[in-house]
Amino acid sequence: AQSVTQLGSHVSVSEGALVLLRCNYSSSVPPYLFWYVQYPNQGLQLLLKYTTGATLVKGINGFEAEFKKSETSFHLTKPSAHMSDAAEYFCAVSALFSGGYNKLIFGAGTRLAVHP
Amino acid sequence: ETGVTQTPRHLVMGMTNKKSLKCEQHLGHNAMYWYKQSAKKPLELMFVYNFKEQTENNSVPSRFSPECPNSSHLFLHLHTLQPEDSALYLCASSQRAGEREQYFGPGTRLTVT
Repeated sequence: AQSVTQLGSHVSVSEGALVLLRCNYSSSVPPYLFWYVQYPNQGLQLLLKYTTGATLVKGINGFEAEFKKSETSFHLTKPSAHMSDAAEYFCAVSALFSGGYNKLIFGAGTRLAVHP
Repeated sequence: ETGVTQTPRHLVMGMTNKKSLKCEQHLGHNAMYWYKQSAKKPLELMFVYNFKEQTENNSVPSRFSPECPNSSHLFLHLHTLQPEDSALYLCASSQRAGEREQYFGPGTRLTVT
């Protein structure tokens, strides 16, 4: 069965510092992986996704993630944090369920705080 | 309006009330989803509709009753809820249920008193 583990429910960085949010997945089939961001009082917005091909995926707002099959990881990074990056981030894996359709399995989320 | 919209954005209801949440997508998609987001818990998929047909009920209590009159609209009817049902309810859509990328609405913050 597919699952997602996000290490660290809270991460705090200084403005301008590297952002690293960790995600490990479990999947019995080649995974499709996603990172979503949720700003306060808003829904989830897709940051980036990995399907097939290049393992380094670039997304919006300067974020990128690297799919590492050997480590079953899909960590999210950004070289330089901005105050506006403060939000909650969710990693998700796409799982194929009965009925022949896909569902998203989400991690518990990591809340990113950025301080001056 | 663009994307996925949800109304109301906030709702406070008593345990004996009946209320409904509404979701509308303007993306031409054919699949719609209800998720529950509780504090400190992963998002929980509740229901999936594909071309107006319910394809998934993730063991949701009967006090939650979904309705999908057409591919653009999705409702969640609520009755005799419990305080533990207080959460953010998110609606999402995708081209069809097999599509992996979903687009989310802003959610309805529900408080049951």
